Amino acid sequence: EVQLVQSGGGLVKPGGSLRLSCAASGFSFNTYSMHWVRQAPGKGLEWVSSISTGSNYLYYAASVKGRFTISRDNVNDLLFLQMSSLRDDDTAIYFCARAGGTIFGVAHNWFDPWGQGTLVTVSS
Amino acid sequence: QSVLTQAPSASGTLGQRVTISCSGSSSNIESNFVCWYHHLPGTAPKVLIYRNTQRPSGVPDRFSGSKSGTSASLAISGLRSEDEGDYYCAAWEDSLSGWVFGGGTKLTVL
Repeated sequence: EVQLVQSGGGLVKPGGSLRLSCAASGFSFNTYSMHWVRQAPGKGLEWVSSISTGSNYLYYAASVKGRFTISRDNVNDLLFLQMSSLRDDDTAIYFCARAGGTIFGVAHNWFDPWGQGTLVTVSS
Repeated sequence: QSVLTQAPSASGTLGQRVTISCSGSSSNIESNFVCWYHHLPGTAPKVLIYRNTQRPSGVPDRFSGSKSGTSASLAISGLRSEDEGDYYCAAWEDSLSGWVFGGGTKLTVL
């Protein structure tokens, strides 16, 4: 069974840092691009970042570029999102997601499946 | 303000057909594939349609997607109570080199 299990959320002060993890199982992790998507309270889904299979290509939303870093460990089947200089408006549920297909690049893919989500709260 | 535009709400009665629209531009919908997601608060979003019209295995054929120019639509026929929730369109945005989502449409089944 394909599974994405997330960890690492929590409460952090503005300006602080946090690292989210997403443990993958049930599929060949190194053959799929991976993604992070978030949902702020009362808001819609917002794409955050994507990473290609070999980490050669990294993509970020303008709202997080320079503050967040996406990475992956293809040996241990792990996806990470290192978040720094956190702001109040980064408060959201963060979802990791796998690409739906292996033969398509990041831009021509889709998100399937998604992790269970982890809450990040930025507040003093 | 989302790059892709969706009506904030839609409704239909049991068994009815409803359509949810998503409006974009030449740099997203027109030049790239559109996908649709269903999301219930507290759960993981689920893909309904990918590559404009393709349905993943397990998604009923009551769901169908279409695209024309800078707009895309999701049609749901034979509306059921479990279809309630939020529906999002998404596409790659060439000018941003990133994904963009619509603002979401909240579907209510009356």
